[in-house]
Amino acid sequence: SQTIHQWPATLVQPVGSPLSLECTVEGTSNPNLYWYRQAAGRGLQLLFYSVGIGQISSEVPQNLSASRPQDRQFILSSKKLLLSDSGFYLCAWRKKDSGGYGYTFGSGTRLTVV
Amino acid sequence: SQKIEQNSEALNIQEGKTATLTCNYTNYSPAYLQWYRQDPGRGPVFLLLIRENEKEKRKERLKVTFDTTLKQSLFHITASQPADSATYLCALDQTGANNLFFGTGTRLTVIP
Repeated sequence: SQTIHQWPATLVQPVGSPLSLECTVEGTSNPNLYWYRQAAGRGLQLLFYSVGIGQISSEVPQNLSASRPQDRQFILSSKKLLLSDSGFYLCAWRKKDSGGYGYTFGSGTRLTVV
Repeated sequence: SQKIEQNSEALNIQEGKTATLTCNYTNYSPAYLQWYRQDPGRGPVFLLLIRENEKEKRKERLKVTFDTTLKQSLFHITASQPADSATYLCALDQTGANNLFFGTGTRLTVIP
């Protein structure tokens, strides 16, 4: 069966510090991978998606970047965090060309920038 | 502008009753509409998907309807239980788009 792992669960970082969040998927190959952010009381906002190794599409220009160094690994990074980067970050995957399937989300990382 | 609205931020109902949640959208042409459940501090969990050419879909105590003319989906939980208490999100999936567009959710509380 397929599983998705996301870590860490909670993170408190000072303004200006770097960030690296990692997500890995098991039990599937060549998935579409996604990073979403959920601000308090708001809907999920797509940040990045990837359809393959090294292929990253950015939906929202901002202080963050993403990379996909391996088929089932997706990393969210920042060189210098801002207060506005605080939020709940979620990784998700879906089978390619599968409009008839739901997304599977990780358990999320609660990031607080202080 | 594109908008997805879920009927209310919070909904309280008595155990055993049917909960009905609403999702309305404007300026989208979804091929699919999805419903997710999200518990506090956790990622959303996929519940049901309905296609644009389907009127209704059922899964155990859950029922979803989809009216593309009204641009509305209704999500029903019958015989509700306290364990059904959570936030429920609707999401639109447009053909060819690598994105799900989410509503802000409705927080359902089932009172014993």
